[in-house]
Amino acid sequence: NAGVTQTPKFQVLKTGQSMTLQCAQDMNHEYMSWYRQDPGMGLRLIHYSVGAGITDQGEVPNGYNVSRSTTEDFPLRLLSAAPSQTSVYFCASSYGVGSGANVLTFGAGSRLTVL
Amino acid sequence: GQNIDQPTEMTATEGAIVQINCTYQTSGFNGLFWYQQHAGEAPTFLSYNVLDGLEEKGRFSSFLSRSKGYSYLLLKELQMKDSASYLCAVRDGDYKLSFGAGTTVTVRA
Repeated sequence: NAGVTQTPKFQVLKTGQSMTLQCAQDMNHEYMSWYRQDPGMGLRLIHYSVGAGITDQGEVPNGYNVSRSTTEDFPLRLLSAAPSQTSVYFCASSYGVGSGANVLTFGAGSRLTVL
Repeated sequence: GQNIDQPTEMTATEGAIVQINCTYQTSGFNGLFWYQQHAGEAPTFLSYNVLDGLEEKGRFSSFLSRSKGYSYLLLKELQMKDSASYLCAVRDGDYKLSFGAGTTVTVRA
């Protein structure tokens, strides 16, 4: 049982380049989300999904796209990278949504640097 | 949106007790979580409160007062391995979990 798997772990991009951060979970979790973590600012929600075919914006969605074609996968796309997107990105999933202790399981993180 | 405040740093001695406070403002409170994050690693779940009161889990306890928008995480019998960042997170409605900036706890021998 791998949990939440993120790739790549490290990536360096030049301004204007595009890339996709991959996230896959094997726990049959309904809810998946992407956060970015910056020093002094904590984790900020970028996009989330409550099931295949359903996505919505979080707190800081600009510059990022997502899709959810399967229950298992939730890729995050940067269409034109900017230095402000230098951050550590975490994918997280949970079994359910709504009330109750639907605990998020986090991936190991992807460290992105945009030059 | 959320406004979640917690202290930036705390230092304590091995074997002591530390209390990390968290205050929040939210329009649709639906649960409060505490996560632990060691440097360079992913956050891991510690505790969950949705009703007022104290939840105890071994050396860790978490308290919630919904009327005051206040929670604390109590770490007892501190060990060196407890040196980490502790994240307070509030769920707004069904889907959005917002995090505070985190409190870095340093445990000294």
